[in-house]
Formats: sequence, C-alpha cells, structure tokens
Amino acid sequence: GESVGLHLPTLSVQEGDNSIINCAYSNSASDYFIWYKQESGKGPQFIIDIRSNMDKRQGQRVTVLLNKTVKHLSLQIAATQPGDSAVYFCADFPGSNYKLTFGKGTLLTVNP
Amino acid sequence: NAGVMQNPRHLVRRRGQEARLRCSPMKGHSHVYWYRQLPEEGLKFMVYLQKENIIDESGMPKERFSAEFPKEGPSILRIQQVVRGDSAAYFCASSPATVEEQFFGPGTRLTVL
Repeated sequence: GESVGLHLPTLSVQEGDNSIINCAYSNSASDYFIWYKQESGKGPQFIIDIRSNMDKRQGQRVTVLLNKTVKHLSLQIAATQPGDSAVYFCADFPGSNYKLTFGKGTLLTVNP
Repeated sequence: NAGVMQNPRHLVRRRGQEARLRCSPMKGHSHVYWYRQLPEEGLKFMVYLQKENIIDESGMPKERFSAEFPKEGPSILRIQQVVRGDSAAYFCASSPATVEEQFFGPGTRLTVL
C-alpha cells in the first residue's frame, strides 16, 4: 500500500486565512519528507522538505511540522493567496533513497 | 537555466499504436525518473535511470513498457500497443546525483482513444 496518505481531499479557504494540509505516513523508517505543489496542467513543484531529525521547518509563508510519534506531517500556509490554489502532495522515500512515494493530494481552493 | 523538458505535452494515440515520450533532464543532471499520474491520484514511480543504465524499473509494467536513457539525447519512455488504461499524465524528473530533490517536468498527457 501507499506510504503516505492525506486526510482531506479538498480544502477551501478565504484569501488571507491560514491553510493547514495534513498527511499521514506509514513507514516509520522514512526519514525525509517533501511537500509538492501541483498546479493544473503542470508538474509537481518542490515547496519545502523536512528530515526526521527535525520537528519543524519554516520557509517563506510555509511551515512544515513533523510528528514522528503519530507519523503525521502538516503543511501550513500563512496568508493564503489565490495563487496558492493547487493540489498539494506530501511525499517520502520509503525503503529507498530515490523512489518518491506520493499521497493522493489535497486540492486547495482559495476564495477571493 | 532550462528546467526539465518533456515532449510532446499532449499525445493522442489509438489503441494498438505506439507512444514515445521524451524527457530532457536539467543541465548537469544524470539521474532521470519517470512517474505516472492517473486522474485525481498521486504520482506513481515507474523507473529510475542513469546514463545508459536502468537502475530500478520495478514500477513499470513488464509488458509493452520500456525506458532508456542513452549516452546522448533525451530519455525515452516507450509504450507499445497502447490500451485505454494507459491514458494518464507521465512525468519525468531529474536530479544531479542520487535522490532527494527531484525536479519535475511539465508532463506528457497521453490519451488513448
């Protein structure tokens, strides 16, 4: 089965609100996680990553939190903008160091 | 710097025809990965190649599908005798060395009629 999966298939927020996208993973040996953004008709775009020796990592307007105890990670987007509308995937490398495994994705819709 | 390039962006084939998908990795990248994405699903790993070598093809169907990454030229994903179930978006990614951040191309959307 898949190593990673997402709790919600869709998320709708108002412009300016914060967004939280969740992801669960199953392989306790996974030690590196990536969040990707995929806009319609385009390939996945790297957003932020985190290693298992960290609990939190921040980027520009995005924060990833990792809870290894419950094998859960989340992506927080601050002050969500219409341009953030996309499908967001978490991914990891269970069992190898090159075979990315993606969850199904969460569709984020930002309402103006 | 040009990113990962894929062509064609859209490909329509009739059942039984062959599909050839091309991927040019980013400059300096010698590792290429192919993924398939069905509608409303995540990407699924198919094959990992380095120049002139297939490293891992465990995600690729054993029949009708093949991949290569020659010394010169792009990586090719070839699907023979396509069936409707092959309709999907096929993404190529590349990396400079092993793993980790893989840079994705825009994908080829294959439609089998």
